[in-house]
Amino acid sequence: QKEVEQDPGPLSVPEGAIVSLNCTYSNSAFQYFMWYRQYSRKGPELLMYTYSSGNKEDGRFTAQVDKSSKYISLFIRDSQPSDSATYLCAMSAGNQFYFGTGTSLTVIP
Amino acid sequence: EADIYQTPRYLVIGTGKKITLECSQTMGHDKMYWYQQDPGMELHLIHYSYGVNSTEKGDLSSESTVSRIRTEHFPLTLESARPSHTSQYLCASSEFGTVAYEQYFGPGTRLTVT
Repeated sequence: QKEVEQDPGPLSVPEGAIVSLNCTYSNSAFQYFMWYRQYSRKGPELLMYTYSSGNKEDGRFTAQVDKSSKYISLFIRDSQPSDSATYLCAMSAGNQFYFGTGTSLTVIP
Repeated sequence: EADIYQTPRYLVIGTGKKITLECSQTMGHDKMYWYQQDPGMELHLIHYSYGVNSTEKGDLSSESTVSRIRTEHFPLTLESARPSHTSQYLCASSEFGTVAYEQYFGPGTRLTVT
């Protein structure tokens, strides 16, 4: 069983839509939960991180962690064409990292 | 913009050749990492370093080697390239002492072995 499961998509939405991206995990030791955005031919860049359970908001982006369900989400409000990218979730326990496969998102103008 | 650089960005090379992928960062970070990324697959950690003269193998078995002689430089070497090494290689760095969620990634090297 993979440590982290993420639906690869692809996901295509119209501009202005609310996007929901999700990951599930199996290791209850994970404490830090991260979302990275990766544009084509670029390296991943950190969008947001959350420690333990709860929500975190940053502009149009909201990260949620539900440790009881081992489920994390990233919501993008008022999606823009510039949000078109691959979104990777990542989790860590200590210095070990585990990444999802990434979800490809296209926002259509 | 993260100050972490990788060269070359793209490389096509024949089987059996020795290659070195370069990674440099100007942020003074102690921790550095090499990941392998294939389409539709998660990032796999192949090597990491916590400082000069410190290197460890990651979860993914790899025929590559790394060195860390200077803080800013973390090259990855394949002694004899094979088609199975065809992949995207990502270098990353983070500060020592923090949880490494603050990883800064380079743009990647896309390697094709023919």
